[in-house]
Amino acid sequence: KNQVEQSPQSLIILEGKNCTLQCNYTVSPFSNLRWYKQDTGRGPVSLTIMTFSENTKSNGRYTATLDADTKQSSLHITASQLSDSASYICVVSASNTDKLIFGTGTRLQVFP
Amino acid sequence: NAGVTQTPKFQVLKTGQSMTLQCAQDMNHEYMSWYRQDPGMGLRLIHYSVGAGITDQGEVPNGYNVSRSTTEDFPLRLLSAAPSQTSVYFCASSHTGPGLGYEQYFGPGTRLTVT
Repeated sequence: KNQVEQSPQSLIILEGKNCTLQCNYTVSPFSNLRWYKQDTGRGPVSLTIMTFSENTKSNGRYTATLDADTKQSSLHITASQLSDSASYICVVSASNTDKLIFGTGTRLQVFP
Repeated sequence: NAGVTQTPKFQVLKTGQSMTLQCAQDMNHEYMSWYRQDPGMGLRLIHYSVGAGITDQGEVPNGYNVSRSTTEDFPLRLLSAAPSQTSVYFCASSHTGPGLGYEQYFGPGTRLTVT
């Protein structure tokens, strides 16, 4: 069964600190992996999209990594800001479907 | 560009009532989809469309209908609302299906409560 699992479920950090969120997937055949940021009460917004051949992709202070062999991805946030407080969702697409498989997200809270 | 718009933002229904959630996009995207988001669960696909006149079922289609008469609009109809349909509904659009890696744009969501 195609699944996406994220850890931790929630995370609290102090402003200015770095953090790393994890994503493991069992989706096959793999097409691409996405990270979304979802602010409370709003729709998800895309941070990165990575295909099989990409192992690192950055978007400002956000850096995603992908290891297609171990089926793992991580999202690293550098020098966190209060505005980084949100849920971060890992999403995987299989190449033989028009559908996305969503993880349940990691809720990040950044405190001053 | 307004992107993906959804109306209404909030709605309260009584059990058995019907309603339509509206979704529109102005990016000329072929692929549109509806998701529901419930606490502790990932977004689940309800229905999707790969172009005008073409729709298909997702993971949780029961109790919902869709149609796609134009490229821009993709309304979601609740036929007879049930408390189990209390959720936040998101519409999304992209140039084509997610398998090709195009970015998906999400609307702001509709928070629906069925009593």
